Parts: sequence; C-alpha cells; structure tokens
Amino acid sequence: DAGITQSPRYKITETGRQVTLMCHQTWSHSYMFWYRQDLGHGLRLIYYSAAADITDKGEVPDGYVVSRSKTENFPLTLESATRSQTSVYFCASSDPRGILAGELFFGEGSRLTVL
Amino acid sequence: GESVGLHLPTLSVQEGDNSIINCAYSNSASDYFIWYKQESGKGPQFIIDIRSNMDKRQGQRVTVLLNKTVKHLSLQIAATQPGDSAVYFCAERDNNDMRFGAGTRLTVKP
Repeated sequence: DAGITQSPRYKITETGRQVTLMCHQTWSHSYMFWYRQDLGHGLRLIYYSAAADITDKGEVPDGYVVSRSKTENFPLTLESATRSQTSVYFCASSDPRGILAGELFFGEGSRLTVL
Repeated sequence: GESVGLHLPTLSVQEGDNSIINCAYSNSASDYFIWYKQESGKGPQFIIDIRSNMDKRQGQRVTVLLNKTVKHLSLQIAATQPGDSAVYFCAERDNNDMRFGAGTRLTVKP
C-alpha cells in the first residue's frame, strides 16, 4: 500500500547502544523529515532532507545521524542512545508544493525507550 | 528563539457544539500557518493551512482565522463530533523551518 511506514513501532534499548529507526515512503516525495515528540514540547525537528543525498539539521540534531541514499528511505540513527532520547519519533514526507503550504504526511511513529 | 504556543492545553465541548482552538505565534516572518490533528497512537494529520496574506479560510466543517495584528491563529470546528476528539497542533512555516506548538487536547462529550 502507498504511504509512509516506520519501523520498529516500539523499541526498548539501553544507554550507549546504537539504534536505527527506519522510514520508508512510496509517494516519491522529495522532502523527508524526522521529528521527536515529547510532552510539553510538541514536535521538534531533528533532521530533514530535500532530496536524496541532501540532509540538513533541524532544531535538535545532536546525538542523531541521518542518511538519504534513496529517495524513499530516510533512516535515523542514534549512535549512542541516552535516556534523554526516550521519545516518540515521527517521520514525515512532502513534495515541493506541499512543503509550500506546510502539508506534511506523517508516519505512525516509533516509540523509543532508553533505559 | 521565537516559538508557537497555545492558550489552552485542554478543551472539552459537548457533541454538536462548535469548538474554538486558539494559538499564539511570534514569528512575523512566517508565511504559512497550519493546523494538524493527532489522534491517539497515530501521527499528525494535516487539516488546513492559511497563507499569511489571508485572514480567513474555510474547509469542511473547519475555519481558520488569522489575526496578524495580535499574532493569533484559531481553528473553529463546527458541529463537533466524537471523531473530532484529538490533540490539535498549530504550526508556522518560515522557508524550510516549520515549528509546531505544544498542542491542545479536544475532548467531545456525548
């Protein structure tokens, strides 16, 4: 089915471990985003990508790494997870016209707990 | 830095009544303002946007009002239904930077 999918949906890990959250979209949208959602902070942008092989930092990039070798995939890696990275992570995508109007298509989220 | 905020964290309305969700913003350079709906356990879903050169825009059962003088944005939902129960976020876009508010939880009472 067309859409945007995230995996895993739930993940528990330990401090110091590397974790990768996957995001895949089937719309061929050029723009992809990673947000984290924490109570009281709303959605905060971690990284975004305007096209394959182009990535840019958002509001809270520290501790995260992204790559975009293919248009449809945008994995987010926590190289050494910390407890402060416990959060719900949302991937989103959009096309240039959608971006203009702020219309993003979000995945269902990945809930990450770092012990 | 500048941020998007909300007047009320929670709102409870009776089914069939109109709902008004408010949002304050502070970035005068934002060119689009957007409302998203997030149901429990799901990702945010785009509802409606309004460009900064407009003061009102209507959709299906929803109306967004923009008051640039006082930097205020509101979402009005007509004849609120149980399916409207969710968290509503306002967001503002300034070039590639889109900032979201903390959200208002709307509860619809039967």
